[in-house]
Amino acid sequence: EDQVTQSPEALRLQEGESSSLNCSYTVSGLRGLFWYRQDPGKGPEFLFTLYSAGEEKEKERLKATLTKKESFLHITAPKPEDSATYLCAVQPYNFNKFYFGSGTKLNVKP
Amino acid sequence: ETGVTQTPRHLVMGMTNKKSLKCEQHLGHNAMYWYKQSAKKPLELMFVYNFKEQTENNSVPSRFSPECPNSSHLFLHLHTLQPEDSALYLCASSQEEQNKYGYTFGSGTRLTVV
Repeated sequence: EDQVTQSPEALRLQEGESSSLNCSYTVSGLRGLFWYRQDPGKGPEFLFTLYSAGEEKEKERLKATLTKKESFLHITAPKPEDSATYLCAVQPYNFNKFYFGSGTKLNVKP
Repeated sequence: ETGVTQTPRHLVMGMTNKKSLKCEQHLGHNAMYWYKQSAKKPLELMFVYNFKEQTENNSVPSRFSPECPNSSHLFLHLHTLQPEDSALYLCASSQEEQNKYGYTFGSGTRLTVV
């Protein structure tokens, strides 16, 4: 069964304290893995798509990496404005739908 | 502005009411989606429309009725809802159903059923 698990459920960091969020997945053939950011009261905002193991994408303080079993979202020297819920989604190769994880709620304290 | 506009932003309705959620996109996308987001749960896909045709109904109760009059507009008609239907309802669009660039989401309608 295709599924996505994100950990931790919540993460509190001090400003400047780097860390990583995890997205583990089981899927019968991966078309793509997607990371989104969701701010309170808003819809998810697209961040990255990763297609194959070993691939990396970067945007400001965020870097996403992909292996055959999981993806990491590394946050380097986070700022309070990075506080949000980060969602991971996978798209199986033979299905036209995405499977979302429950998200990691990140809180960065000044 | 995300390019996908949802109205209303908040809705409180009784269990016997009938209401509709509206979604509009002017991104030129061909596929539109309704998702339900409940606290601490993954997003649940409800309906998919591709070129105005419904291609997915993810076992959604009949008290939710979608309508897609054209590629730019999507509605979700609600009637005789239950309190457990309270959630954030998100509309999304993409260039094509097998889109590799992800979705563009609206800000959602926060629905409370009393």
